[in-house]
Amino acid sequence: DAKTTQPPSMDCAEGRAANLPCNHSTISGNEYVYWYRQIHSQGPQYIIHGLKNNETNEMASLIITEDRKSSTLILPHATLRDTAVYYCIVRPDNYGQNFVFGPGTRLSVLP
Amino acid sequence: SAVISQKPSRDICQRGTSLTIQCQVDSQVTMMFWYRQQPGQSLTLIATANQGSEATYESGFVIDKFPISRPNLTFSTLTVSNMSPEDSSIYLCSAQGDWGGYTFGSGTRLTVV
Repeated sequence: DAKTTQPPSMDCAEGRAANLPCNHSTISGNEYVYWYRQIHSQGPQYIIHGLKNNETNEMASLIITEDRKSSTLILPHATLRDTAVYYCIVRPDNYGQNFVFGPGTRLSVLP
Repeated sequence: SAVISQKPSRDICQRGTSLTIQCQVDSQVTMMFWYRQQPGQSLTLIATANQGSEATYESGFVIDKFPISRPNLTFSTLTVSNMSPEDSSIYLCSAQGDWGGYTFGSGTRLTVV
């Protein structure tokens, strides 16, 4: 079973920041938080991952709470092309450990 | 990160037949994985494909139905055997990179009629 809880759906206005929450209250010390997205039945696309520090790349920012029990993915300026299902996954940094996908959050960016 | 080419991208097959899906990675990877995504659902892991050994299947998936080959560190195939309409899904392969995360193929959309 997935170790994360996400809202099933969210809306965001185009050009605004999209903040996608994820709860992972049972996360272990060696587990990373990964975010992927899947645009209309394409293969999932990597967005960002982190352990305990906040992370930022060209796509998004990842904010992890100090107790690591929750995190937020931030898309700073959402576009229509960001409409997708977003998956939050926790996984130990062990080679060969597979990803367990939950249902994710369906983000709709509205014009 | 690795680039994965998966083919076919889609197919329509008759029930009772088999389809082999190919997954080619542009670099050597140790771990490859095959997922199924049924309509409107999330991804479910079918099996882990390791080079030089038999694939490891998840509960609910068996080798006779989903035989997997992994002849080298850049290639794997998944066969969906004796297909029925319930096998209509998207099948995805993925590879684990040195950075720990996964790269996914674009998927194979299978429709069984």
